[in-house]
Amino acid sequence: AQTVTQSQPEMSVQEAETVTLSCTYDTSENNYYLFWYKQPPSRQMILVIRQEAYKQQNATENRFSVNFQKAAKSFSLKISDSQLGDTAMYFCAFIPGYNNNDMRFGAGTRLTVKP
Amino acid sequence: EAGVAQSPRYKIIEKRQSVAFWCNPISGHATLYWYQQILGQGPKLLIQFQNNGVVDDSQLPKDRFSAERLKGVDSTLKIQPAKLEDSAVYLCASSQSDEQYFGPGTRLTVT
Repeated sequence: AQTVTQSQPEMSVQEAETVTLSCTYDTSENNYYLFWYKQPPSRQMILVIRQEAYKQQNATENRFSVNFQKAAKSFSLKISDSQLGDTAMYFCAFIPGYNNNDMRFGAGTRLTVKP
Repeated sequence: EAGVAQSPRYKIIEKRQSVAFWCNPISGHATLYWYQQILGQGPKLLIQFQNNGVVDDSQLPKDRFSAERLKGVDSTLKIQPAKLEDSAVYLCASSQSDEQYFGPGTRLTVT
C-alpha cells in the first residue's frame, strides 16, 4: 500500500523559532513526487514546497525547507523564523509515479505559532 | 490568474436529502479532482477527471455519489441520498501537471 504517515497530530512553536514536521511514506516506486501543503483556518489548501524523488538536493522555498531521505522514505518540513501566519494544518502528500496524479495525503499536523 | 472556484461554500441538509456541488477549475487545466476531507483527516480522492473522461473513481461510493464533467471544464459532484457520515469538506482541485491547485471547498453538514 502507498501511504503517508504524519506522526505528530499537533505541534507548537514560539514565534521566530524553528520547527520540524515529520512525514514518512511507503512506496515501491522509484520515481515520485512529494509535497507539503498548508491549510490555514480558512481551509484553502496552498502548496508550500515540492520535491522530485530523483533530485538529491533538498528543496527550499524561503523559510521552508525539506529534509528528503529517500532510503528512509522520510520527508520532513523545516520552518525557520516561524511567523504567526504559519499557524495552520500541514499535510504531507505524495504522488506515486510521474504519470500518476493519484495524490495521497497524510492525516496532517496542526501547527500553532505562539507569540 | 483566477483560482479554482467552488460553490456553495456551506451547505446544511438533512439525511436522505440530495445535494450538489459545483467546481470551476483553473482555465486550461485538463485534470480535475474531487476530494472528501473529513474533520481531522487529510483529503481523500473521490474521483479524477482528465478532460471529460474519468481516470479514477475507485474510492467514489457509487451507490450514492456521482460526478460529471460533461464539457471538460466545470464539474458537479452529487450526493443522493446523503448520510450523516457524508459530513465533510468537499475539495475540488485542478492541475496541468503534477502540482494540484485547490479550491476553497464546500463544507457539508448532514443532520
